[in-house]
Amino acid sequence: EIVLTQSPATLSLSPGDSATLSCRASQSVKTYLAWYQQRPGQAPSLLISDASNRATGVPARFSGSGSGTDFSLTISSLEPEDFAVYYCQQRSTWPSFTFGPGTKVD
Amino acid sequence: QLQLQESGPGLLKPSETLSLTCTVSGVSISSSSDYWGWMRQPPGKGLEWIGSTYNGASTYYNSSLKNRVSISADPSKNQFFLTLNSVTAADTALYFCVRDEGIAVAGIDFWGQGILVTVSS
Repeated sequence: EIVLTQSPATLSLSPGDSATLSCRASQSVKTYLAWYQQRPGQAPSLLISDASNRATGVPARFSGSGSGTDFSLTISSLEPEDFAVYYCQQRSTWPSFTFGPGTKVD
Repeated sequence: QLQLQESGPGLLKPSETLSLTCTVSGVSISSSSDYWGWMRQPPGKGLEWIGSTYNGASTYYNSSLKNRVSISADPSKNQFFLTLNSVTAADTALYFCVRDEGIAVAGIDFWGQGILVTVSS
């Protein structure tokens, strides 16, 4: 099973700050990595697929990069609604897949 | 607009069987190329993939649950189902039904609101 590690576990920032979240895979997942945002009390929502492709309706301040085992999600200028938990998901073993443990941005 | 809605009992006793239904509106689960699946999230914890089905015919399961889980579908009702046998407290979680876009380069683009299932004696 491919294990995903996310760091940091918590990122304490203020509105307007830039955030960089990391996701590392235990083996190469090529670019088959997605990012999700989960706000409190809500279901997750897709932000990024294929490591760097923004999903429909996702603001341009969200960007993803990386390939192989190291990936990052950058939020260029935090808005109040961006304070949430972010999960990465590897899809190289699709239709089965695994999620990282999450990074909380507060 | 595609919508998914979970339904089922919210409280089970240990050793009982969990049965959930996901009702899909806005697209036919039998005519699309998408996969339909179940995720869960224990309180305060992360996400776990349970399994997925394509057209109700092909099914894929998380190996850690494979012996206890079954996913099926009824295209005539545009519903798919989750069955999890012999539940324990460790199965207490928020259960989501989802649509997966069906290819590795894509993602899970639609989620139900989730249903909390508690296992307690």
